[in-house]
Amino acid sequence: DQQVKQNSPSLSVQEGRISILNCDYTNSMFDYFLWYKKYPAEGPTFLISISSIKDKNEDGRFTVFLNKSAKHLSLHIVPSQPGDSAVYFCATFSGGYNKLIFGAGTRLAVHP
Amino acid sequence: GAVVSQHPSWVICKSGTSVKIECRSLDFQATTMFWYRQFPKQSLMLMATSNEGSKATYEQGVEKDKFLINHASLTLSTLTVTSAHPEDSSFYICSARDHGRAYEQYFGPGTRLTVT
Repeated sequence: DQQVKQNSPSLSVQEGRISILNCDYTNSMFDYFLWYKKYPAEGPTFLISISSIKDKNEDGRFTVFLNKSAKHLSLHIVPSQPGDSAVYFCATFSGGYNKLIFGAGTRLAVHP
Repeated sequence: GAVVSQHPSWVICKSGTSVKIECRSLDFQATTMFWYRQFPKQSLMLMATSNEGSKATYEQGVEKDKFLINHASLTLSTLTVTSAHPEDSSFYICSARDHGRAYEQYFGPGTRLTVT
């Protein structure tokens, strides 16, 4: 049973527009969430994170929103650029800060 | 900073042979390293956690005798796939945690293993 769910396998967005990637989780005890970006045949790179004591964290074009009551987080990228095209994974820690569990990923395609 | 390398980046081997994959933290000391596996179009699944100088902790369903992990130093962990079979073909990714930074794991570029 997936504890972190990304229900949209893919997303296509026009360059300059906003990309919104969504993630749901099942365990209200999760208290730290991360977003990773991954290109094919490469390891994930850390993008942005958020602690459960916050509902928003912003870093440049990337903003993560956390809705604890809905157990939902989203990553906003604005404006989207072609170089943002990649697979995005949301992740959280399970059972301490050793085990990262990932969602299934959403493939973002930003087209001109 | 916080660079993790993996070697080799890809390897093809025959069934029944063993393959060793190295994971190195280049500019920091990693007391804990992690090994993940990713099947095509699927998520990353944690296989095992290794702490320097001690035995690795394997996730449920991962055969410890098949996937041997050694974390002999603060900058090197190795994963050996023993008696490889075609179903072991996958993308293996390591990550390392900087000592003192509980939340951050830095990922290597991955190793594509193909067993023929």
